[in-house]
Amino acid sequence: QKEVEQNSGPLSVPEGAIASLNCTYSDRGSQSFFWYRQYSGKSPELIMFIYSNGDKEDGRFTAQLNKASQYVSLLIRDSQPSDSATYLCAVNTGFQKLVFGTGTRLLVSP
Amino acid sequence: GAVVSQHPSWVICKSGTSVKIECRSLDFQATTMFWYRQFPKQSLMLMATSNEGSKATYEQGVEKDKFLINHASLTLSTLTVTSAHPEDSSFYICSAEQGAAEKLFFGSGTQLSVL
Repeated sequence: QKEVEQNSGPLSVPEGAIASLNCTYSDRGSQSFFWYRQYSGKSPELIMFIYSNGDKEDGRFTAQLNKASQYVSLLIRDSQPSDSATYLCAVNTGFQKLVFGTGTRLLVSP
Repeated sequence: GAVVSQHPSWVICKSGTSVKIECRSLDFQATTMFWYRQFPKQSLMLMATSNEGSKATYEQGVEKDKFLINHASLTLSTLTVTSAHPEDSSFYICSAEQGAAEKLFFGSGTQLSVL
């Protein structure tokens, strides 16, 4: 079983819709969780991180964490074509390192 | 946010040659730097963790004699791909940590093509 799993997509949503990206992880002891956005040929950029169960909102982005079910999600409201990218979920398993999922490709159509 | 400079952005080399990639934290001191490799449409795979002044810690399956990492100062880490082969062609990305996992800043990446 992979440590961090994501659906590779692509996830297609129309402009203005809510995009929902999901991620599950296997290490129950994981403490912190991150969402990165990566455009093709570019390096990842941090969108949000979350430590505690529940929701964390930042502008159009909401991260949701459920430790009991071992999943973390990212909601993008009012999706824009510029949001089209690959979204990487990463989990801090301790020992100073992040484990990344394979990413979900999001396509927002005008 | 903090800036991490990585260069070269791309490099083409002949099989058997060595290539050095530099990663610099420009406006902060990074106690820890990480090196990743990413194949097309795949995720970032951690290759090694580099701490200033000490030997790098390599992930399982990564050949330390092939991927030489030097972290000579708090702002510079280098990755040297020795005797490169076509299968080493990949996107290599470094990151530098500013004291906490949420303060992890990525370099712009290096696309290596080995002919």
